[in-house]
Amino acid sequence: EIVLTQSPGTLSLSPGERATLSCRTSQTVSNNYLVWYQQKPGQAPRLLIYDTFSRATGIPDRFSGSGSGTDFTLTISRLEPEDFAVYYCQLFGSSPPWTFGQGTKVEIK
Amino acid sequence: EVQLLESGGGLIQPGGSLRLSCAASGFTFSSYAMTWARQAPGKGLEWVSAISVSGSNTYYADSVKGRFTISRDNSKNTVYLQMSSLRVEDTAVYYCAKDRSSSPRSAMDVWGQGTTVTV
Repeated sequence: EIVLTQSPGTLSLSPGERATLSCRTSQTVSNNYLVWYQQKPGQAPRLLIYDTFSRATGIPDRFSGSGSGTDFTLTISRLEPEDFAVYYCQLFGSSPPWTFGQGTKVEIK
Repeated sequence: EVQLLESGGGLIQPGGSLRLSCAASGFTFSSYAMTWARQAPGKGLEWVSAISVSGSNTYYADSVKGRFTISRDNSKNTVYLQMSSLRVEDTAVYYCAKDRSSSPRSAMDVWGQGTTVTV
């Protein structure tokens, strides 16, 4: 089972700043099936990025995904007030379980 | 509008059984794999189970294998999660989600609002 480790646990930033969230896998990933979700309190998760780089429908271009091997990144270029939330990565490896990372909370500084 | 509506959650004693349902609308249900995920109070997301478009292939997290069964009825646009031998640690909000493709090995692009199971 591949373990996903997200860092930092909490990111304290101001609106307009750049956010860089990390997701590290315990094994080298040979495909690009790395996914990012956003979750706000009391809401279901929302798909942001799939296949490492691709934005989901309706996701603003300030969100971008990158990475390969064992290191993947979600970047929010300029934080908007609605971006303060918890972000999860998930990897679809060759076999289940398709686990999530533990999450990174982006909070207002 | 694409929608998923979960039902069937509730309060259940340890060792009991419960069946969750997820009714889908607004898309061709039989063309997409489906997934159940859960979130314990104050915790992160946990992938629970997924099912192929035909229902012939199912996948489970180790934590629920042998106790939970996922199934689907494409004529009713509904996916189910039969939960048995429930444990206190199964307490969570259970989300139904649509996969992006016919493969269960793909991102979940539509989520239901969740149904709460308390053991």
